[in-house]
Amino acid sequence: DAGVIQSPRHEVTEMGQEVTLRCKPISGHNSLFWYRQTMMRGLELLIYFNNNVPIDDSGMPEDRFSAKMPNASFSTLKIQPSEPRDSAVYFCASSRDSNSGNTIYFGEGSWLTVV
Amino acid sequence: SQKIEQNSEALNIQEGKTATLTCNYTNYSPAYLQWYRQDPGRGPVFLLLIRENEKEKRKERLKVTFDTTLKQSLFHITASQPADSATYLCALDYSGGGNKLTFGTGTQLKVEL
Repeated sequence: DAGVIQSPRHEVTEMGQEVTLRCKPISGHNSLFWYRQTMMRGLELLIYFNNNVPIDDSGMPEDRFSAKMPNASFSTLKIQPSEPRDSAVYFCASSRDSNSGNTIYFGEGSWLTVV
Repeated sequence: SQKIEQNSEALNIQEGKTATLTCNYTNYSPAYLQWYRQDPGRGPVFLLLIRENEKEKRKERLKVTFDTTLKQSLFHITASQPADSATYLCALDYSGGGNKLTFGTGTQLKVEL
């Protein structure tokens, strides 16, 4: 079975541009997570969905960030407008359901550089 | 606030030795703790989960202990190999549900020949 699939793998964009990151979770998984990883702050949870519904977006840094999950097999994380401090690796992850202790499977990440 | 501490300095050990990594946490009594491995340029990969009522858990050459009194978990790799070189992350669900994991910053392990 394919794992969590993210695109693009790498993106370089200019400050002020819109960035859209995409994620396809593992088929049959009902929970989806967006994480951001930087050297300074490590791996931070931005938002998570359960059954396509956003449950907790308290980690979303600013209104410039938004996430959607229109169906069980697709999610997007959008940054508009982007800023250099948004440069990071963005990971999408999924788990079978929202019960505590379920294994979380990560994608390979989207490496974002905003210049 | 919740805090998870892992040794920020890299750990270098010789092949065949046992590597021991530490994870300390504060301000919470989690029901379980997880360990993940992350290779450069890759996403974290789940290794082990240990519950609060389990003192120790093993999987092949890996062993995890969980001391809820000390608020500490130790992660051991026995008979270490160069292929074990990676960053190891511990994670807790501070939310008390919903599988929302908070990760430590990780410890980089390098196993030398």
